[in-house]
Amino acid sequence: SQQGEEDPQALSIQEGENATMNCSYKTSINNLQWYRQNSGRGLVHLILIRSNEREKHSGRLRVTLDTSKKSSSLLITASRAADTASYFCATDSNYQLIWGAGTKLIIKP
Amino acid sequence: EAGVAQSPRYKIIEKRQSVAFWCNPISGHATLYWYQQILGQGPKLLIQFQNNGVVDDSQLPKDRFSAERLKGVDSTLKIQPAKLEDSAVYLCASSLATGAGEQYFGPGTRLTVT
Repeated sequence: SQQGEEDPQALSIQEGENATMNCSYKTSINNLQWYRQNSGRGLVHLILIRSNEREKHSGRLRVTLDTSKKSSSLLITASRAADTASYFCATDSNYQLIWGAGTKLIIKP
Repeated sequence: EAGVAQSPRYKIIEKRQSVAFWCNPISGHATLYWYQQILGQGPKLLIQFQNNGVVDDSQLPKDRFSAERLKGVDSTLKIQPAKLEDSAVYLCASSLATGAGEQYFGPGTRLTVT
């Protein structure tokens, strides 16, 4: 069953611009995680935000969580070519991760 | 530290044949997961182990898929017999404990069933 839904499905921006991806989910959660997947490094954990947190930062990444709207956003600032990848949100609602279909991000030089 | 190891990386088989995948998690990680990822989709959990016990296998097609984690370390996932719709990447992941914290993924096995 799919819990998270990322939006947009695909995003293409110029290098240096910011990229924003959104995730919506259906049930209450313990935490929400963002992962990145590319052909070179596989699936890699980026950031985890707990249900009682509203915002979290990690380097060029900023994640927000709005539990009232059951949504989260991932902002990547000052994008680089290496950020080209698919980004997935995964929600933990019963100590099991449920994944969305991902946003495919392309950074143009 | 060494990451999650998987083998083989690629496998091509004909339908109705059998195939097995192997995973070695990060040392000390009690929880091991097998996911199926079909092209263009997110990973789907097939089975979750805590040490050598099964925590969740509700989405494992048990008529054809089986998995074991002997001694609470390495794990194998088997498909017998394979169907065309089993073509996917099979990902193994591990985490320190059950609780859906950060998961560490292996490179995956890309299975093509012809």
